[in-house]
Amino acid sequence: RKEVEQDPGPFNVPEGATVAFNCTYSNSASQSFFWYRQDCRKEPKLLMSVYSSGNEDGRFTAQLNRASQYISLLIRDSKLSDSATYLCVPSYNNNDMRFGAGTRLTVKP
Amino acid sequence: ETGVTQSPTHLIKTRGQQVTLRCSSQSGHNTVSWYQQALGQGPQFIFQYYREEENGRGNFPPRFSGLQFPNYSSELNVNALELDDSALYLCASSLADRAYEQYFGPGTRLTVT
Repeated sequence: RKEVEQDPGPFNVPEGATVAFNCTYSNSASQSFFWYRQDCRKEPKLLMSVYSSGNEDGRFTAQLNRASQYISLLIRDSKLSDSATYLCVPSYNNNDMRFGAGTRLTVKP
Repeated sequence: ETGVTQSPTHLIKTRGQQVTLRCSSQSGHNTVSWYQQALGQGPQFIFQYYREEENGRGNFPPRFSGLQFPNYSSELNVNALELDDSALYLCASSLADRAYEQYFGPGTRLTVT
């Protein structure tokens, strides 16, 4: 079993749609959680941190369920510019970040 | 642009050779992490350097080694190259107290033949 599991997709959605990605992690020692996005042939960039209480950043909402070792990302009102691969990243500490393989999203006009 | 630069952009080596990849961190960042990203996979953590010392290591063999210099730039060295070492190598810089907020460079594409 992979340490971080994500549905690879691709998720193909129309502009304005709401889309959700899920991620499970196997190491219960993970302390911090993040979502990164990676555009095609580009480097990963931090999208948002994930807090136990859930958190929002504009159209993006992240949730964490430690008991189920599950993280989610919800994108509302999808834009063309949201097309990217979304990487789930549990971290044991700030030194050791375990990236998932990513979920690919394509937003179409 | 993140301000993190890597060289070279592309590199072709043969099995058994050694390679050195270089990274210049974003101004003010004192921590550098290295990752290997195979096609279709997420970045895999190799190691992190802080204050010129290794500060954490992933599941990579000792033939992967690194250095950090006083100006916070860094090198990744790989000895005895294997075909499976072919990948994109990414470095990321950060501040020590915000090491989760990593700023990645564009990567070095290494091909081992």
